[in-house]
Amino acid sequence: NAGVTQTPKFQVLKTGQSMTLQCAQDMNHNSMYWYRQDPGMGLRLIYYSASEGTTDKGEVPNGYNVSRLNKREFSLRLESAAPSQTSVYFCAATGRTEDNEQFFGPGTRLTVL
Amino acid sequence: TQLLEQSPQFLSIQEGENLTVYCNSSSVFSSLQWYRQEPGEGPVLLVTVVTGGEVKKLKRLTFQFGDARKDSSLHITAAQPGDTGLYLCAGGGDYKLSFGAGTTVTVRA
Repeated sequence: NAGVTQTPKFQVLKTGQSMTLQCAQDMNHNSMYWYRQDPGMGLRLIYYSASEGTTDKGEVPNGYNVSRLNKREFSLRLESAAPSQTSVYFCAATGRTEDNEQFFGPGTRLTVL
Repeated sequence: TQLLEQSPQFLSIQEGENLTVYCNSSSVFSSLQWYRQEPGEGPVLLVTVVTGGEVKKLKRLTFQFGDARKDSSLHITAAQPGDTGLYLCAGGGDYKLSFGAGTTVTVRA
C-alpha cells in the first residue's frame, strides 16, 4: 500500500521546455490536489480535482495544466517552463473522511534554468 | 497575502524546553489542521480541530482551537530532537485547504 506516489523525484529543465509530473494514489480517494512549496510561502494550491472527471483552479494556476486521467491518477503539465516555476511540487489526495486528512506524496523538486 | 499567519517563522530550542507555535487568521474556519513535514518528505497530518475552544492532546503535543475558530496554537512540552521539523497549519472548506507559511522548529540535543 504505497499511498500517494510521484514521479520524477528530481528534474532540471531549461526555460521553455515542457514536462509532466505524474501522481498516483492507491487509497481510492475521490479528491486530488497539486501544490507548490516555496521557502517562506508554505503550500500553495495550483489545481485540484474534487472527483474523477472534474478539475478546478487553485490559488496559482497560471502556467500549468492538469489531467485527471482516472480515479487513481492526476498529472500536472508545464507547457513552457519558466524559472519562476522552480519549486517543490506535492500531490495530495483526500477521501472526505471526518478529519478531512490530506495524504501527500514525497514531492518533486523541479529546477528551471 | 497569507490567509493563515504563523508565528514565529523559526524556533530553535534546547532539548527538554517547551515551545508554542501560533496560527492566526481574520477568517473563520470550520476546521483547522496541523501537519508536520520533515526534510525531503510530504506533510503528515498531526491533528484536526473542529470545535471552537477545543483542546486535543497527542502525547507531548497540545493543540488548541480558538473560541472564534480563527486561530490555533500548538504547544510541545519537553521537546525532543525528534520533534524537529516544519509545522504547518491549514484551514478550509469542503475541498480546499489554505496553508500557513509554516514554523521551522529545531530541537538541539
